[in-house]
Amino acid sequence: EVQLQESGPGLVKPSQSLSLTCSVTGYSITSNYWGWIRKFPGNKMEWMGYISYSGSTSYNPSLKSRISITRDTSKNQFFLQLNSVTTEDTATYYCARYYDGYYHPLDYWGQGVMVTVSS
Amino acid sequence: DIRMTQSPASLSASLGETVNIECLASEDIYSDLAWYQQKPGKSPQLLIYNANSLQNGVPSRFSGSGSGTQYSLKINSLQSEDVATYFCQQYNNYPLTFGSGTKLEIK
Repeated sequence: EVQLQESGPGLVKPSQSLSLTCSVTGYSITSNYWGWIRKFPGNKMEWMGYISYSGSTSYNPSLKSRISITRDTSKNQFFLQLNSVTTEDTATYYCARYYDGYYHPLDYWGQGVMVTVSS
Repeated sequence: DIRMTQSPASLSASLGETVNIECLASEDIYSDLAWYQQKPGKSPQLLIYNANSLQNGVPSRFSGSGSGTQYSLKINSLQSEDVATYFCQQYNNYPLTFGSGTKLEIK
C-alpha cells in the first residue's frame, strides 16, 4: 500500500526557512508525480508544487522564488523548502502522489504536518 | 488562475438524506475535476475524478456529475461516517486550484 508521511519542525521563525520531508513507502518516487499542498487556517488549500519521476519540478507562481522541491531517490523521499517565511505561511502541509501524470488528481496523501510561523 | 467557487460552505442533513455540493469553475475545465473527503485529523481521500468516475473503494452512494464550468457531488443515503469536509479541485490548468470546502454535519 502506498503511504506518505510528512515530517519536520512544527515551529519556524519569521524570515527563516521551512524544511519538510515526505517519506514514501509502498511505491517508488521514480514513478509518477509528487506534490506539496498546504491548507491554511480557515480551510483554504493551495497547491505549492510538484516533482516528477525524473526530478523535474513545477511551482506555484504565487510562491515566486521562495520554494524548492528536491528528492533523494535512495531514501524514497522528497523535500520541500520554503524560504523567507512569514506568519502567512502558517498552515498544515501535505505531500501527495499524483494518480498518473501531472494533469491528474492526487490519489494518496500524507497525514499532514502543522507548521506555525512565529517568533 | 482558475477560481473554484464551492457551495454551500456548510451543510446539515439527516441520516438517510441525499445531499448535493456544488463547484463552479471560472472557466471551462473539461471535466478535469476531483472531489475529496477529509475527516477531522485525517488526510484527504480521493472520492471522484474526471468529474464522475468513482475512485476504487469508494461507496457507490457517492456520485459526481457536471461539465464545462459546473460540477456537483451527490451523497445518497447519508451515513454517520460521511461527516467530513468535502472539497473540489481542478487539474485542467496550472496552478491546480481548490474549492473552499463544504463542512457536512449530521442533524
